[in-house]
Amino acid sequence: SYVLTQPPSVSVAPGKTARITCGGNNIGSKSVHWYQQKPGQAPVLVIYYDSDRPSGIPERFSGSNSGNTATLTISRVEAGDEADYYCQVWDSSSDHAVFGGGTQLTVL
Amino acid sequence: QVTLKESGPVLVKPTETLTLTCTVSGFSLSNARMGVSWIRQPPGKALEWLAHIFSNDEKSYSTSLKSRLTISKDTSKSQVVLTMTNMDPVDTATYYCARIPSRVQDWFDPWGQGTLVTVSS
Repeated sequence: SYVLTQPPSVSVAPGKTARITCGGNNIGSKSVHWYQQKPGQAPVLVIYYDSDRPSGIPERFSGSNSGNTATLTISRVEAGDEADYYCQVWDSSSDHAVFGGGTQLTVL
Repeated sequence: QVTLKESGPVLVKPTETLTLTCTVSGFSLSNARMGVSWIRQPPGKALEWLAHIFSNDEKSYSTSLKSRLTISKDTSKSQVVLTMTNMDPVDTATYYCARIPSRVQDWFDPWGQGTLVTVSS
């Protein structure tokens, strides 16, 4: 089965740029989606199709995907960005959705 | 406005069968290409995809849980139902349902609020 690997945690100072990676075998050939989950809340889609933003998501959130790594980038990080972030792909060979293990973003 | 809401028991005993219902609004389960998934999250742990069902009744299940899961839909009631047999304490989790816009728009948006299910005797 397809496996997505995320770092357990990332820390960043306010106003700086946070980068959260999602590793997978040839993930660049797949569409990657990202979710933000704040404590006690359901996940919210923040990036789809590698780099598109749903309406209402700040332009500070961006994404890229190439080779074996997809990256969620959060510019000018704010305290309100502190949350868990999950990447997700669809494994077409099994028709299963796959989530990464999640990354806890801490704003220092 | 598209919304989904999960409902079901808060507490189940080991070996019992869990039945969860996802009631959707703002879209029809007969809408071409749309689907609904169930996803769970044990306390403090990561998201785990469980199953999905599409408008054409195509279904798929997590390989590790396939023998225990059944997903179905009642279009007239706007409901998607997930049953999980032989519940165990390790199945304690928040269970979410989420919409899949289409086969090619294979992300989850929006999600329901989730329902916490505890498995304990």
